[in-house]
Amino acid sequence: QVQLVQSGAEVKKPGASVKVSCQASGYTFSNYDLNWVRLAAGQGLEWMGWMNPDSGKTGYAQKFQGRVTITRDTSISTAYMELSGLRSDDTGVYYCASTHLSAVGAFDVWGQGTMVTVSS
Amino acid sequence: QSVLTQPPSVSGAPGQRVTISCTGTSSNIGAGFDVHWFQHLPGTAPKLLIYDNYNRPSGVPDRFSGSKSGTSASLAITGLQAEDEADYYCQSYDTSLRGWLFGGGTKLTV
Repeated sequence: QVQLVQSGAEVKKPGASVKVSCQASGYTFSNYDLNWVRLAAGQGLEWMGWMNPDSGKTGYAQKFQGRVTITRDTSISTAYMELSGLRSDDTGVYYCASTHLSAVGAFDVWGQGTMVTVSS
Repeated sequence: QSVLTQPPSVSGAPGQRVTISCTGTSSNIGAGFDVHWFQHLPGTAPKLLIYDNYNRPSGVPDRFSGSKSGTSASLAITGLQAEDEADYYCQSYDTSLRGWLFGGGTKLTV
Protein backbone atom coordinates (compact mmCIF):
# COMPACT_ATOMS: atom_id res chain seq x y z
CA GLN A 1 0.00 0.00 0.00
CA VAL A 2 1.00 3.62 -0.47
CA GLN A 3 2.97 4.65 2.60
CA LEU A 4 5.29 7.33 3.95
CA VAL A 5 7.49 6.27 6.85
CA GLN A 6 9.40 8.89 8.82
CA SER A 7 12.46 8.73 11.03
CA GLY A 8 12.26 8.63 14.80
CA ALA A 9 11.99 11.31 17.46
CA GLU A 10 14.80 13.82 17.93
CA VAL A 11 15.96 15.96 20.85
CA LYS A 12 18.08 18.95 19.94
CA LYS A 13 19.62 21.93 21.70
CA PRO A 14 18.76 25.50 20.69
CA GLY A 15 20.79 26.61 17.70
CA ALA A 16 21.30 23.09 16.39
CA SER A 17 19.89 21.54 13.21
CA VAL A 18 17.61 18.56 12.73
CA LYS A 19 17.18 16.39 9.65
CA VAL A 20 14.02 14.30 9.31
CA SER A 21 13.62 11.59 6.68
CA CYS A 22 10.50 10.36 4.88
CA GLN A 23 10.68 7.11 2.91
CA ALA A 24 8.01 6.36 0.32
CA SER A 25 6.77 2.90 -0.62
CA GLY A 26 3.94 1.44 -2.67
CA TYR A 27 4.23 4.01 -5.47
CA THR A 28 6.75 5.63 -7.81
CA PHE A 29 8.50 8.19 -5.62
CA SER A 30 9.32 10.56 -8.49
CA ASN A 31 5.72 10.91 -9.63
CA TYR A 32 4.25 12.86 -6.71
CA ASP A 33 5.28 16.09 -4.99
CA LEU A 34 6.29 15.81 -1.35
CA ASN A 35 5.36 18.42 1.25
CA TRP A 36 6.37 19.06 4.84
CA VAL A 37 3.87 20.23 7.46
CA ARG A 38 4.50 21.09 11.09
CA LEU A 39 2.28 20.97 14.15
CA ALA A 40 4.11 23.12 16.68
CA ALA A 41 3.33 22.72 20.35
CA GLY A 42 0.12 24.60 21.11
CA GLN A 43 -0.22 25.76 17.51
CA GLY A 44 -2.05 24.65 14.38
CA LEU A 45 -0.80 23.03 11.21
CA GLU A 46 1.83 24.98 9.24
CA TRP A 47 2.99 24.22 5.71
CA MET A 48 6.79 24.41 5.51
CA GLY A 49 7.63 23.63 1.91
CA TRP A 50 7.46 21.20 -1.00
CA MET A 51 9.67 19.32 -3.40
CA ASN A 52 9.25 17.72 -6.80
CA PRO A 53 11.17 14.45 -6.31
CA ASP A 54 11.72 14.08 -10.04
CA SER A 55 13.40 17.43 -10.70
CA GLY A 56 14.45 18.25 -7.16
CA LYS A 57 12.75 21.64 -7.45
CA THR A 58 11.73 23.05 -4.09
CA GLY A 59 9.60 25.85 -2.65
CA TYR A 60 9.52 27.07 0.92
CA ALA A 61 7.07 28.95 3.11
CA GLN A 62 8.18 32.52 3.73
CA LYS A 63 8.25 31.89 7.49
CA PHE A 64 10.90 29.19 7.09
CA GLN A 65 12.93 30.66 4.21
CA GLY A 66 16.63 30.48 4.98
CA ARG A 67 16.19 27.90 7.73
CA VAL A 68 14.64 24.92 5.93
CA THR A 69 16.10 22.73 3.21
CA ILE A 70 14.29 19.86 1.50
CA THR A 71 16.31 17.28 -0.41
CA ARG A 72 15.87 13.76 -1.73
CA ASP A 73 17.65 10.53 -2.56
CA THR A 74 15.70 8.92 -5.37
CA SER A 75 17.75 5.68 -5.13
CA ILE A 76 16.04 4.93 -1.81
CA SER A 77 12.77 6.84 -2.42
CA THR A 78 13.48 9.12 0.52
CA ALA A 79 12.97 12.82 1.12
CA TYR A 80 14.65 14.85 3.83
CA MET A 81 13.72 18.04 5.66
CA GLU A 82 16.48 19.87 7.49
CA LEU A 83 15.65 22.76 9.82
CA SER A 84 18.50 24.86 11.18
CA GLY A 85 18.82 27.46 13.93
CA LEU A 86 16.42 25.55 16.13
CA ARG A 87 14.50 27.47 18.80
CA SER A 88 12.26 26.24 21.58
CA ASP A 89 9.18 27.19 19.56
CA ASP A 90 10.25 24.75 16.83
CA THR A 91 9.27 21.95 19.19
CA GLY A 92 6.50 19.94 17.60
CA VAL A 93 5.57 17.13 15.25
CA TYR A 94 6.83 17.26 11.68
CA TYR A 95 4.94 15.44 8.91
CA CYS A 96 5.66 14.65 5.30
CA ALA A 97 2.62 14.46 3.03
CA SER A 98 1.79 13.99 -0.61
CA THR A 99 -1.20 14.24 -2.94
CA HIS A 100 -2.24 11.20 -4.93
CA LEU A 101 -5.63 12.54 -5.92
CA SER A 102 -6.15 14.73 -8.98
CA ALA A 103 -6.48 17.69 -6.61
CA VAL A 104 -3.59 20.07 -6.13
CA GLY A 105 -2.60 20.47 -2.50
CA ALA A 106 -5.03 17.89 -1.12
CA PHE A 107 -2.57 15.93 1.01
CA ASP A 108 -4.14 12.48 1.19
CA VAL A 109 -1.06 10.46 2.14
CA TRP A 110 0.79 11.35 5.34
CA GLY A 111 3.77 10.05 7.24
CA GLN A 112 3.28 9.08 10.86
CA GLY A 113 5.02 12.21 12.12
CA THR A 114 8.35 12.87 13.80
CA MET A 115 8.51 14.54 17.20
CA VAL A 116 11.25 17.14 17.47
CA THR A 117 12.00 18.56 20.91
CA VAL A 118 14.22 21.61 21.24
CA SER A 119 15.50 22.05 24.76
CA SER A 120 18.66 23.12 26.51
CA GLN B 1 -1.55 34.97 12.49
CA SER B 2 -3.33 32.79 9.95
CA VAL B 3 -5.19 34.57 7.14
CA LEU B 4 -7.66 31.69 6.99
CA THR B 5 -9.85 32.36 9.99
CA GLN B 6 -11.67 29.55 11.78
CA PRO B 7 -13.58 29.61 15.06
CA PRO B 8 -11.36 28.22 17.85
CA SER B 9 -14.02 25.82 18.99
CA VAL B 10 -17.49 24.45 18.23
CA SER B 11 -19.59 21.90 20.05
CA GLY B 12 -22.66 19.78 19.53
CA ALA B 13 -24.54 16.90 21.03
CA PRO B 14 -24.49 13.41 19.51
CA GLY B 15 -26.76 13.28 16.47
CA GLN B 16 -26.73 17.02 15.93
CA ARG B 17 -25.31 19.06 13.05
CA VAL B 18 -22.42 21.50 13.31
CA THR B 19 -20.70 23.76 10.82
CA ILE B 20 -17.16 25.09 10.84
CA SER B 21 -16.42 28.24 8.88
CA CYS B 22 -13.19 29.22 7.15
CA THR B 23 -12.93 32.86 6.14
CA GLY B 24 -10.20 33.86 3.72
CA THR B 25 -9.22 36.85 1.63
CA SER B 26 -8.89 37.90 -1.99
CA SER B 27 -5.42 36.34 -2.11
CA ASN B 28 -6.59 32.81 -1.31
CA ILE B 29 -10.19 31.55 -1.27
CA GLY B 30 -11.48 34.74 -2.88
CA ALA B 31 -8.97 34.35 -5.71
CA GLY B 32 -10.68 31.11 -6.69
CA PHE B 33 -8.34 28.61 -5.08
CA ASP B 34 -9.89 25.39 -3.86
CA VAL B 35 -10.35 24.59 -0.18
CA HIS B 36 -9.44 21.31 1.47
CA TRP B 37 -10.42 20.14 4.97
CA PHE B 38 -8.50 17.91 7.35
CA GLN B 39 -9.40 16.11 10.56
CA HIS B 40 -6.68 15.71 13.18
CA LEU B 41 -6.89 13.41 16.15
CA PRO B 42 -4.15 13.75 18.80
CA GLY B 43 -1.26 11.37 18.22
CA THR B 44 -2.23 10.57 14.65
CA ALA B 45 -1.51 12.04 11.23
CA PRO B 46 -4.03 14.50 9.80
CA LYS B 47 -6.67 12.95 7.55
CA LEU B 48 -8.05 14.50 4.37
CA LEU B 49 -11.83 14.90 4.76
CA ILE B 50 -12.87 17.13 1.87
CA TYR B 51 -10.92 18.16 -1.22
CA ASP B 52 -11.64 20.76 -3.88
CA ASN B 53 -14.33 22.40 -1.75
CA TYR B 54 -16.91 19.59 -1.61
CA ASN B 55 -15.43 16.25 -2.71
CA ARG B 56 -14.98 13.35 -0.27
CA PRO B 57 -12.08 10.91 -0.60
CA SER B 58 -13.01 7.25 -0.63
CA GLY B 59 -13.92 6.06 2.85
CA VAL B 60 -15.06 9.39 4.29
CA PRO B 61 -18.70 9.17 5.43
CA ASP B 62 -21.28 11.36 3.71
CA ARG B 63 -21.99 12.92 7.11
CA PHE B 64 -19.12 15.25 6.16
CA SER B 65 -19.77 17.86 3.48
CA GLY B 66 -18.07 21.01 2.26
CA SER B 67 -19.08 24.18 0.51
CA LYS B 68 -17.47 27.37 -0.73
CA SER B 69 -18.79 30.83 -1.56
CA GLY B 70 -16.87 34.01 -2.21
CA THR B 71 -14.03 34.35 0.27
CA SER B 72 -15.35 31.67 2.66
CA ALA B 73 -15.82 27.94 2.95
CA SER B 74 -17.64 25.70 5.39
CA LEU B 75 -17.45 22.16 6.66
CA ALA B 76 -20.69 20.59 7.87
CA ILE B 77 -20.91 17.47 9.99
CA THR B 78 -24.31 15.84 10.49
CA GLY B 79 -25.27 13.05 12.85
CA LEU B 80 -22.43 13.91 15.24
CA GLN B 81 -20.65 10.95 16.78
CA ALA B 82 -18.23 10.79 19.68
CA GLU B 83 -15.40 9.81 17.35
CA ASP B 84 -15.83 13.09 15.45
CA GLU B 85 -14.25 14.91 18.40
CA ALA B 86 -11.05 16.27 16.86
CA ASP B 87 -9.36 19.35 15.47
CA TYR B 88 -10.44 20.45 11.98
CA TYR B 89 -8.37 22.55 9.59
CA CYS B 90 -9.15 24.24 6.30
CA GLN B 91 -6.42 24.74 3.71
CA SER B 92 -6.02 26.78 0.55
CA TYR B 93 -3.32 28.33 -1.61
CA ASP B 94 -2.30 31.92 -0.99
CA THR B 95 -0.83 34.04 -3.79
CA SER B 96 0.68 36.61 -1.44
CA LEU B 97 2.48 33.98 0.60
CA ARG B 98 3.12 31.85 -2.50
CA GLY B 99 2.34 28.69 -0.66
CA TRP B 100 -0.21 26.55 1.09
CA LEU B 101 -2.00 28.02 4.04
CA PHE B 102 -3.86 26.30 6.86
CA GLY B 103 -6.54 27.84 8.99
CA GLY B 104 -5.91 28.16 12.70
CA GLY B 105 -7.92 25.04 13.43
CA THR B 106 -11.23 24.40 15.18
CA LYS B 107 -11.63 22.04 18.10
CA LEU B 108 -14.89 20.10 17.89
CA THR B 109 -16.32 18.84 21.16
CA VAL B 110 -19.10 16.26 21.02
